Amino acid sequence: GEQVEQRPPHLSVREGDSAIIICTYTDSATAYFSWYKQEAGAGLQLLMSVLSNVDRKEEQGLTVLLNKKDKRLSLNLTAAHPGDSAVYFCAVSASSGSWQLIFGSGTQLTVMP
Amino acid sequence: GPKVLQIPSHQIIDMGQMVTLNCDPVSNHLYFYWYKQILGQQMEFLVNFYNGKVMEKSKLFKDQFSVERPDGSYFTLKIQPTALEDSAVYFCASSLGLPSQNTLYFGAGTRLSVL
Repeated sequence: GEQVEQRPPHLSVREGDSAIIICTYTDSATAYFSWYKQEAGAGLQLLMSVLSNVDRKEEQGLTVLLNKKDKRLSLNLTAAHPGDSAVYFCAVSASSGSWQLIFGSGTQLTVMP
Repeated sequence: GPKVLQIPSHQIIDMGQMVTLNCDPVSNHLYFYWYKQILGQQMEFLVNFYNGKVMEKSKLFKDQFSVERPDGSYFTLKIQPTALEDSAVYFCASSLGLPSQNTLYFGAGTRLSVL
């Protein structure tokens, strides 16, 4: 079945710097890709999602890149600020008809002032 | 924005007892999910529920697990009997439709400790 690996597990950056989180997956049929943010004591919040026909998507200081050849998904936070400190998860779905999301193991991002 | 509430946030129970985890999903959502996260590991899908039925479940959804949403009230996950390996954080989620077309809204999780 699908395997998702996420790195790094911990990431510290200074305010204003970029932060990049990467997920790799194994199933070439994977069709749906998403990134979630989890702040302490809260539920997961969907940041952005893309389908497999999209290579790049930008919204509000976030960039998601999808490299289907390398089976790699990345999230780039440009100009990070302390409010971005949280745990970030990638999640993928094997097909558009699947109910199941396969999650990465999470990245604890700390943005220092 | 829409919120999914999970009650309680932490539950401690003796092995072999029954436990019910409660989830109050987003009010107009039709699809409900449970995910399980053991400390330090990935969040894993347990089950999806729609129109009173389990639509899809994983191998983690053991025979001791059951879900229901009687009369549009709480969406519940019941474990009977509990085992030590059931200790984890359980996340509830809801959506209007398929995850690929609809946002999943997650609760903050219930930490279950089985002693």
